[in-house]
Amino acid sequence: EAEVAQSPRYKITEKSQAVAFWCDPISGHATLYWYRQILGQGPELLVQFQDESVVDDSQLPKDRFSAERLKGVDSTLKIQPAELGDSAMYLCASRTHWGKVTDTQYFGPGTRLTVL
Amino acid sequence: DAKTTQPTSMDCAEGRAANLPCNHSTISGNEYVYWYRQIHSQGPQYIIHGLKNNETNEMASLIITEDRKSSTLILPHATLRDTAVYYCIVTKSSNTGKLIFGQGTTLQVKP
Repeated sequence: EAEVAQSPRYKITEKSQAVAFWCDPISGHATLYWYRQILGQGPELLVQFQDESVVDDSQLPKDRFSAERLKGVDSTLKIQPAELGDSAMYLCASRTHWGKVTDTQYFGPGTRLTVL
Repeated sequence: DAKTTQPTSMDCAEGRAANLPCNHSTISGNEYVYWYRQIHSQGPQYIIHGLKNNETNEMASLIITEDRKSSTLILPHATLRDTAVYYCIVTKSSNTGKLIFGQGTTLQVKP
């Protein structure tokens, strides 16, 4: 069964350092999402791509976070500089196309970030 | 998107049915009810979704009341591997597909 791949699975970094997370969606999935999940809470959408275009980045802290999906396939989420409050699980999800309402999102295993 | 209300936690005996309720009293006609679950330290997993009619798949059944203001997810024979946080999410058909997660229900299946 096809899966969403994410790396690294775990990342420990110091405050003010730069970090990057990578996501490879299921083949053929045009829509890609990045979510952040703080311990004890549900995931919260950071950014959504349709192919290589950003559809929704209203919750992305743009002063320090950036996301790209240059060829409309895999994606990178970057934080620079990292802050203590960025410690969380970063989840990537994909689906065939956002307009297909009965389609479902498939999530990757996530990257657990710890900022010291 | 309509707001959902779920109990914080529930217990269930292994082998018994687990019935997880969700209130969505402000749901509108074009909003679907989705259920996802998240096993500890893993990404959320899709379970089932519905609009008006009851739905069943290999994982679970979804019962939606006639007025659509509440629903129940049923795991017919819970196992220890079903211990997880279960999220009930209501989302519009015209939505970009983003899911708005609440706190969910922590289901503990006990031997």
